[in-house]
Amino acid sequence: SQQGEEDPQALSIQEGENATMNCSYKTSINNLQWYRQNSGRGLVHLILIRSNEREKHSGRLRVTLDTSKKSSSLLITASRAADTASYFCGPSNDMRFGAGTRLTVKP
Amino acid sequence: KAGVTQTPRYLIKTRGQQVTLSCSPISGHRSVSWYQQTPGQGLQFLFEYFSETQRNKGNFPGRFSGRQFSNSRSEMNVSTLELGDSALYLCASTRDAMNTEAFFGQGTRLTVV
Repeated sequence: SQQGEEDPQALSIQEGENATMNCSYKTSINNLQWYRQNSGRGLVHLILIRSNEREKHSGRLRVTLDTSKKSSSLLITASRAADTASYFCGPSNDMRFGAGTRLTVKP
Repeated sequence: KAGVTQTPRYLIKTRGQQVTLSCSPISGHRSVSWYQQTPGQGLQFLFEYFSETQRNKGNFPGRFSGRQFSNSRSEMNVSTLELGDSALYLCASTRDAMNTEAFFGQGTRLTVV
């Protein structure tokens, strides 16, 4: 069974808006990673957050981690049409992803 | 340095045949994981190899098998192909077993007719 589970399954927003997606996981982790997949291609690493971190920023990305709830969130600010993709999360030590969140950013 | 290379990129096979897909990880990476992605089932974990040993295995039938060579290159094999095996097969490599970023290949698009 998957270790990372993303929510919502689909999200549609207008360009310029913020997008928030959530991730829950099952096991204890050393760190958790978020990936993006453009249609029909391989996954691309976005950001890694360690278990002793609560928040991490990378450009327009902000990731939070709550190990007590076994959950994480990914915020994309000022979204662009190029952010349209599927987003996956998972612990580094057990990369069994969920179905992902399909984000559509409308121009 | 070169990224993760999967070959072939596209493949068409007939039901009942078998297929072997190849993944060359980034140089120095010792862990390779395989995933199947279909529109209906999403991204599903097949198995992970680390230093030639299978460490984790997903919930797939025995028709799906894999191996890893001493140079960390990995192959996966699917025997007695079914129409439902049509999918994008992705492999990912990591430097070691834990705590590191995974790099994905572009995938092999398998179509079973």
